[in-house]
Amino acid sequence: QVQLQESGPGLVKPSETLSLTCTVSGASISGYYWSWIRQSPGKGLEWIGYIYYRGSINYNPSLKSRLTISVDASKNQFSLRLNSVTAADTAFYYCAGGYSEWSAAFDFWGQGTMVTVSS
Amino acid sequence: QSVLTQPPSASGTPGQKVTISCSGSSFIIGRNYVNWYQQLPGTAPKLLIYANDQRPSGVPDRFSGSKSGTSASLAISGLQSEDEADYYCAAWDDSLSGYAVFGGGTQLSVL
Repeated sequence: QVQLQESGPGLVKPSETLSLTCTVSGASISGYYWSWIRQSPGKGLEWIGYIYYRGSINYNPSLKSRLTISVDASKNQFSLRLNSVTAADTAFYYCAGGYSEWSAAFDFWGQGTMVTVSS
Repeated sequence: QSVLTQPPSASGTPGQKVTISCSGSSFIIGRNYVNWYQQLPGTAPKLLIYANDQRPSGVPDRFSGSKSGTSASLAISGLQSEDEADYYCAAWDDSLSGYAVFGGGTQLSVL
């Protein structure tokens, strides 16, 4: 059974960098496409981007200029860095995994972690 | 505004059939698979339907999906109280470099 667990600071100051890591257990990180998805409080879902362990990456155009997603296959982890954050980046951040590239089918989800941007 | 349009709310009584719609453009829903997610209160979304009409293992056959042209639908038959949740459609948008997009979500109430 594939399990995902997000970790990282719950509070980030405006203009600083939001950094989260997702640890994958029950599966090799090499087998899937790994995404970050966020949900502002009381709002809908927004796809942030995905990465494949061999380096294929795709970002949401609206976040691309501030975004870096990377993978560490040795640790079975992938990470998110979003710089120059503002209050608009306050959200639940989920890591998720799927079988296919260019797909909005996310078969596995972490429980999510709340990140607040505030001074 | 979401790229995919869903009604903000829907409702039904136990045992009824409810349908939730999702509409989009020809280069999103028209070209790509539609997927549906169920988000119970306080939990992460769960994949309910993928590739328009396929159910992952473990999803009851009360849930079904369909797509026609630039619209898709999620149907829930034999409505149960535990179906009360938010439902989201999602698809791949081929514009720019390609990215995943979600509908705004439909809050389903079981009366």
